[in-house]
Amino acid sequence: DAGVIQSPRHEVTEMGQEVTLRCKPISGHDYLFWYRQTMMRGLELLIYFNNNVPIDDSGMPEDRFSAKMPNASFSTLKIQPSEPRDSAVYFCASSPPGGDGGELFFGEGSRLTVL
Amino acid sequence: RKEVEQDPGPFNVPEGATVAFNCTYSNSASQSFFWYRQDCRKEPKLLMSVYSSGNEDGRFTAQLNRASQYISLLIRDSKLSDSATYLCVVNPAGGSYIPTFGRGTSLIVHP
Repeated sequence: DAGVIQSPRHEVTEMGQEVTLRCKPISGHDYLFWYRQTMMRGLELLIYFNNNVPIDDSGMPEDRFSAKMPNASFSTLKIQPSEPRDSAVYFCASSPPGGDGGELFFGEGSRLTVL
Repeated sequence: RKEVEQDPGPFNVPEGATVAFNCTYSNSASQSFFWYRQDCRKEPKLLMSVYSSGNEDGRFTAQLNRASQYISLLIRDSKLSDSATYLCVVNPAGGSYIPTFGRGTSLIVHP
């Protein structure tokens, strides 16, 4: 079975440009999470969805960040405009229904560099 | 106080050694606990859940101490392949489904 699929794996862009990260969760999973990981701050939860509905976006740094989940098999995280401090690895993870709240399956991550 | 705290290490141990990590959490109502492993430049992967009674999986033992609000991970007979960062995860109570990750403890096992 395919795991969580993220794209792009790497992106290098210039400050001010729009960045769109994509995620396809594992089929049948009803929770989807977006995390950001940096050396300084570790793994930070940005937003999570349940059954395609955003439940908690309190971790989204500011209005430049937005996330959508138009259907059960696709989610996007958009940064517009991007800034150098957004450079990080962005992970998408999904979780199955009925679990005990901790079994997350992560994608391989999208490594973003903003120059 | 941070919600989930871990000693970043690194813990540098020889092959065959026994090593233990602790992770403290601030929310006394937290209900579920986990250890994840993350290899360099890879995604985190679930290593094991931590049950109230403690649990063991081969060379790995996880324990929960609710009174002192910490969980532990013990690795016996360390292998070179155990070198990784070990992340502790705590899930709060009350229906809030927000797994919170510690920043991880780095383990280096050398020959």
